Amino acid sequence: AQTVTQSQPEMSVQEAETVTLSCTYDTSENNYYLFWYKQPPSRQMILVIRQEAYKQQNATENRFSVNFQKAAKSFSLKISDSQLGDTAMYFCAFMKHVSGNQFYFGTGTSLTVIP
Amino acid sequence: DGGITQSPKYLFRKEGQNVTLSCEQNLNHDAMYWYRQDPGQGLRLIYYSQIVNDFQKGDIAEGYSVSREKKESFPLTVTSAQKNPTAFYLCASTPGQFFYGYTFGSGTRLTVV
Repeated sequence: AQTVTQSQPEMSVQEAETVTLSCTYDTSENNYYLFWYKQPPSRQMILVIRQEAYKQQNATENRFSVNFQKAAKSFSLKISDSQLGDTAMYFCAFMKHVSGNQFYFGTGTSLTVIP
Repeated sequence: DGGITQSPKYLFRKEGQNVTLSCEQNLNHDAMYWYRQDPGQGLRLIYYSQIVNDFQKGDIAEGYSVSREKKESFPLTVTSAQKNPTAFYLCASTPGQFFYGYTFGSGTRLTVV
């Protein structure tokens, strides 16, 4: 079974500062995908960034970047120049590269950006 | 615009009643999913369907039922057998290409009164 662990239930960051959210996972698979989703107070799940396990290069989307360490099974999210709109719950998710493409989610990290 | 529509946004159920949550997508996605979200527990998979007229149980299927008669629709019924149904329910879909991940609906908040 796949498990995804987010060890930081809550975090806060000052506006314009940088924050890193941690995620580790456990799998015996070699091919898979990793995602970060954002859930603001509206509760709409929004894709932030995704990473293919076979790619060594870390994914980047504007102010969001990941540090993907395959051997360590770690997938952290770095948010640069934090903005008030970044306040949300962030979920790390794992998807196997096999049929069924089911997501396995972490328990989430609640991030608050402080003005 | 393409997307996933969940209705209703809020739903109240009396104990002992069955209720059905609607999920419709116009993205032409093959696979659809139902997740339950509880505080501190992340999202847990209830049921999923990869093709019409076929579906599989997820991790917490007991007390729930689904159907997939049309590609666009994947309704979830919360039966009276579900002991603790109060939760936030999310529907999602994916085109089947693994990399794209999920597109989510806006969710339904179910409360037992």
